[in-house]
Amino acid sequence: SQKIEQNSEALNIQEGKTATLTCNYTNYSPAYLQWYRQDPGRGPVFLLLIRENEKEKRKERLKVTFDTTLKQSLFHITASQPADSATYLCAPRIGTYKYIFGTGTRLKVLA
Amino acid sequence: EAQVTQNPRYLITVTGKKLTVTCSQNMNHEYMSWYRQDPGLGLRQIYYSMNVEVTDKGDVPEGYKVSRKEKRNFPLILESPSPNQTSLYFCASSSSPGADTQYFGPGTRLTVL
Repeated sequence: SQKIEQNSEALNIQEGKTATLTCNYTNYSPAYLQWYRQDPGRGPVFLLLIRENEKEKRKERLKVTFDTTLKQSLFHITASQPADSATYLCAPRIGTYKYIFGTGTRLKVLA
Repeated sequence: EAQVTQNPRYLITVTGKKLTVTCSQNMNHEYMSWYRQDPGLGLRQIYYSMNVEVTDKGDVPEGYKVSRKEKRNFPLILESPSPNQTSLYFCASSSSPGADTQYFGPGTRLTVL
């Protein structure tokens, strides 16, 4: 069955450091993969998308990599701030209409 | 302001009492979708719609119905709710099925007693 794995444990890092979150998937080859941010009690908010033919994508302090051989995406937040504290979800798109979401990694940036 | 709205935001009901959760978007999006989110299970897709009158099942459609009579609205119907449908529900939309971004609503927290 299709499976998405994200760091199940919460990730605590010090302000100013780089946070790295991992998304591993099995049993299929997504055309692209999205990353979302979710705050408690709120809907996910889209952050970045990376396609299978792209190795890396950047947006301000965010960077996403996509290794189709390893079946893994890494999500980096550089110069992290307490306001970056949230749960981050990866969502590979499978087929034309369907998305599968990981359970998310809770990030806490300590001041 | 571009947005996806859901109503109600919170609902407590009893087993077997039919309910509808509404979803509306003001972005003229073709693609709309319903998800439920449960601890440890993440977001799971219930139903999606590619356009008016075109819907299909996601991963967990049992116990749910949807309709898409207008482009902007995509209601989720629970004909006979059961306690295992207690969950946080999200509606989402995007300009097309293959669009880069899904826009999510604020969520509806449903409790079925």
